[in-house]
Amino acid sequence: EIVMTQSPATLSVSPGERATLSCRASQSVSRNLAWYQQKPGQAPRLLIYGASTRATGIPARFSGSGSGTEFTLTISSLQSEDFAVYYCQQYNNWPPWTFGQGTKVEIK
Amino acid sequence: QVQLQESGPGLVKPSGTLSLTCAVSGGSISSSHWWSWVRQPPGKGLEWIGEIYHSGSTNYNPSLKSRVTISVDKSKNQFSLKVSSVTAADTAVYYCAKREYNYGQLNYWGQGTLVTVSS
Repeated sequence: EIVMTQSPATLSVSPGERATLSCRASQSVSRNLAWYQQKPGQAPRLLIYGASTRATGIPARFSGSGSGTEFTLTISSLQSEDFAVYYCQQYNNWPPWTFGQGTKVEIK
Repeated sequence: QVQLQESGPGLVKPSGTLSLTCAVSGGSISSSHWWSWVRQPPGKGLEWIGEIYHSGSTNYNPSLKSRVTISVDKSKNQFSLKVSSVTAADTAVYYCAKREYNYGQLNYWGQGTLVTVSS
């Protein structure tokens, strides 16, 4: 099973600032990586797939990069609605699909 | 646009069987998608449970495989989850979700349903 490790666990950012979230895989997942956003009481929402392709309707301030074992989600200018928990998920080796433990982006 | 809706008992006794259904609307369960279950214990991260294709083909998380059964009912456009021999560790919000046939990302999710295992 591929283990996904996200850092940091919590990221404190001021509105308008840039946020950079990291996700590391225990072995190469090529570019088969997705990012999800989850707000309290809501289901996860797909943001990015294929490491860097934005899902339908996702604003351009969200961008993904990386390949192999190291990935990054960048939110270029944080809006109030972006404060949430973000998860990465690998879908290169399955079963099972595996998720990271999440990074909480909170208001500084 | 596809919509997914979970339903089932919110409380299950220890050693019992958890049973949930996911109703699919706005699309056919017989389309080229895999239909998944994902769970999230309170305050914790996401765990993929398993998935099914309309043909009946399934994939399960090896950590849960011995206790999990996922089935599909094409006549009702829905799929179901059963988890047997439940313990408090199975308490979680259970989500159903969908992915395209040749892609791994989960692009549609239900709103989730909380299942508590307690006597």
